[in-house]
Formats: sequence, structure tokens, C-alpha cells
Amino acid sequence: NAGVMQNPRHLVRRRGQEARLRCSPMKGHSHVYWYRQLPEEGLKFMVYLQKENIIDESGMPKERFSAEFPKEGPSILRIQQVVRGDSAAYFCASSFGSTGEQYFGPGTRLTVT
Amino acid sequence: GIQVEQSPPDLILQEGANSTLRCNFSDSVNNLQWFHQNPWGQLINLFYIPSGTKQNGRLSATTVATERYSLLYISSSQTTDSGVYFCAVETSGSRLTFGEGTQLTVNP
Repeated sequence: NAGVMQNPRHLVRRRGQEARLRCSPMKGHSHVYWYRQLPEEGLKFMVYLQKENIIDESGMPKERFSAEFPKEGPSILRIQQVVRGDSAAYFCASSFGSTGEQYFGPGTRLTVT
Repeated sequence: GIQVEQSPPDLILQEGANSTLRCNFSDSVNNLQWFHQNPWGQLINLFYIPSGTKQNGRLSATTVATERYSLLYISSSQTTDSGVYFCAVETSGSRLTFGEGTQLTVNP
């Protein structure tokens, strides 16, 4: 039973480029969450999605960041025109229901040069 | 929003020692989880424990929801226990709010 999968594991982008991070939830899970961990800090909530719906995006910066979870395929976190401050580890989690245990993927480490 | 405080922020142990990590939270919660972030950055689920006591090998956890705290016990620590331990809580709306973590170093 595969866990939460994220790819790529490491991503290097130059300032101004776009970053696309992918997350496949655990089998049977339809709730996906994205969290960000800045260097030497804890994890902060960004966005909560169900299939084809954004439920809560209150933790996501208003500009340059977007997320989707289409009917088919993985959830995507998209960062446009990246800046050095976007360098962080981005974790995806999934759960079976809207409450209950969340399971985390291995993360994508984004480095902006 | 809810506040989550973990203590101590740093802990250094000799292999074989026992330790207790604490998590205080400022409001009632639907969900509480403990995680271990290993030196490679991966987040490992330790416990899902909104209330009560659970044990898994050398680790155990207790959450007293009415008093708004949770404790993680590590017995007979090993060097592989090193890393950061996070407590995270969910109130409403499904998001987890994380504490700042306890950095544990176990020396051989």
C-alpha cells in the first residue's frame, strides 16, 4: 500500500521561473493538504483541497501561488515567478476524511537560485 | 488561532536514557498528532492521539484533552531517535497547526 507520493523530491529553479510540485495521495484518500517548511522553522498550512475543489486556501500567499486537485491525476502546487524566499520544503498530506489522521509525503525541496 | 507550544526546544541525551516531550495547546482540538522529522527531512507519523494513551514499542504518548496537553515518552533512546519531534493539532477546518518542535540529539 503506497504512501503519499511527491515529485520531484528536489527542484532547482532560477528566479522568475515557474515551479510545479506534484502530490499523489494515499489510495482511497480524497483530501489533500499542502504545508510549507521554511529553513529552520516549523510547518505551516497552505491549502486544503478535495477532488476538483479548493476547501481552504487561507494559508497560501495571494499572489503567484495556486493549487489544484483535478478529478484525475495528482494534486499540483504551482508557484509562478519564483523568488529566493520561496526556497523551502513543501509537504503534501492526505487523509481519508475531512478529520482524522493525516499522512505526509517525503516532501519536495525547492531551491531558488 | 490556536497556539501550540512544545518543550523543551532542545534536548541532548546519552543513548539508553529516557525522555518526555510536552505539547501544550490553547483550545480544544479534534485531532492531535506526533511526528518525527528525521535528519533527511522526512516526516514520520508517530501517533494519532486526540485523547488517551497509546504505545508503540519504545514510544508512548498521552493526551489529556481536558487539560490541553500531550506528552511523548521515549524510553531507552537510540541514536536513530535523533531529529525533530513535532506536535500538531487540528481544531476545525481540517488544517493542522504545528508546534515549533523539539530538537532531540541522542549521543552514543
